[in-house]
Amino acid sequence: AQSVAQPEDQVNVAEGNPLTVKCTYSVSGNPYLFWYVQYPNRGLQFLLKYITGDNLVKGSYGFEAEFNKSQTSFHLKKPSALVSDSALYFCAVRDPGAGSYQLTFGKGTKLSVIP
Amino acid sequence: DTAVSQTPKYLVTQMGNDKSIKCEQNLGHDTMYWYKQDSKKFLKIMFSYNNKELIINETVPNRFSPKSPDKAHLNLHINSLELGDSAVYFCASSQDGRRGEQYFGPGTRLTVT
Repeated sequence: AQSVAQPEDQVNVAEGNPLTVKCTYSVSGNPYLFWYVQYPNRGLQFLLKYITGDNLVKGSYGFEAEFNKSQTSFHLKKPSALVSDSALYFCAVRDPGAGSYQLTFGKGTKLSVIP
Repeated sequence: DTAVSQTPKYLVTQMGNDKSIKCEQNLGHDTMYWYKQDSKKFLKIMFSYNNKELIINETVPNRFSPKSPDKAHLNLHINSLELGDSAVYFCASSQDGRRGEQYFGPGTRLTVT
């Protein structure tokens, strides 16, 4: 079975500081990993994904994430936070070895960037 | 042009009624999904269709029935609505159901009174 955990319900960071939103996963084989962002009263927007290859993945709006197989983590990072980055962030995982189309989402982390 | 659209955006109805939510994508994607997001923002897959074929059918009450008339549309019909059905329902689509990212609609906020 595939699962994903976001250990922090909320992350607060000052504008201009680096931010990290944490994600760990559990799958039987090699994972497909995704990050999405949800602004208030909106649908989820895709930020980036890891399928294979380079462990450091760059995505939209200056975000990046690093796949760490030994720690089963896929933390989302940005060097300098903007107030407009304040939103709900979801990590998601799919286990391709299971032949599944199903994407399992974490419970979300609310990011607040303080001016 | 909106990539994934849903109608209606808001739906307020009474217990026991039957309602439908429509979803359309103009991205040419093969796979479409329905998700339910509860009041705590937890997101749960309900159904998925690939080329009009049902491929994911999670444990949801059989009062919920998806229908895919063609690849671009996936509708959700709900019979005998209950208070617990109140949530935001999202439609999504992806080109590659296994590797591809999903594109989400704006959501339909269902309130059952």
